[in-house]
Amino acid sequence: QLVESGGTFVQPGGSLRLSCAASGFTFKSFDMNWVRQAPGKGLEWVSHIGRSGSTIYYADSVRGRFTISRDNAKNSLHLQMSRLRAEDTAVYYCARESEYSDDSGYRDWYVDLWGRGTLVAVSS
Amino acid sequence: SSELTQAPAVSVDLGQTVRITCQGDSLRSYYATWYQQKPGQAPILVIYGNNIRPSGIPDRFSASSSGSTASLTITGAQAEDEADYYCNSRDTGTSRWLFGGGTKVTVL
Repeated sequence: QLVESGGTFVQPGGSLRLSCAASGFTFKSFDMNWVRQAPGKGLEWVSHIGRSGSTIYYADSVRGRFTISRDNAKNSLHLQMSRLRAEDTAVYYCARESEYSDDSGYRDWYVDLWGRGTLVAVSS
Repeated sequence: SSELTQAPAVSVDLGQTVRITCQGDSLRSYYATWYQQKPGQAPILVIYGNNIRPSGIPDRFSASSSGSTASLTITGAQAEDEADYYCNSRDTGTSRWLFGGGTKVTVL
């Protein structure tokens, strides 16, 4: 399972660090992602980190402000958030990524496990 | 920039069939992944790859695709299928992930 923590109320311009504790599977064998959902809105992908931590991607909306990291020894995923804005208000989900491939050589990736989420509220 | 487009809402009579569609250029290269989300809960995986259901997902859920359009079909909708459904895929040529805006399914 995945259990997020660290969400809270924070003022605009502030910083926050989210964590995700993984259990029940070999954490170091999976790429991981953060996905967020603003109140009453749809899902938005935030960031991806590869198994070793060397491959990292960000959505344009958070690049330069958020930093994803992982600690495979502690089975944990993190999201350091800085210069927070009101539009960053959302439930942040930790999401495990798995790979799909078929006999045609097609390869793709999908989220097969979601945490319950942690709420970040940015407001003055 | 690339995006995935879904109708905001659809309704279906109990026991009938409903199709949810998702449109986007990335779907010409990738299968859509489908998630179900009920109020106050995290999403769960419903369909991935070439119409594959994870363990525990009923066989009334199926997926198909044609060109830039992917579809999720619920054959014989049940009351417990009432939820928001999101499509998802990689963005072609980038490392971004795309999500559709979600379709709210109401079972009447």
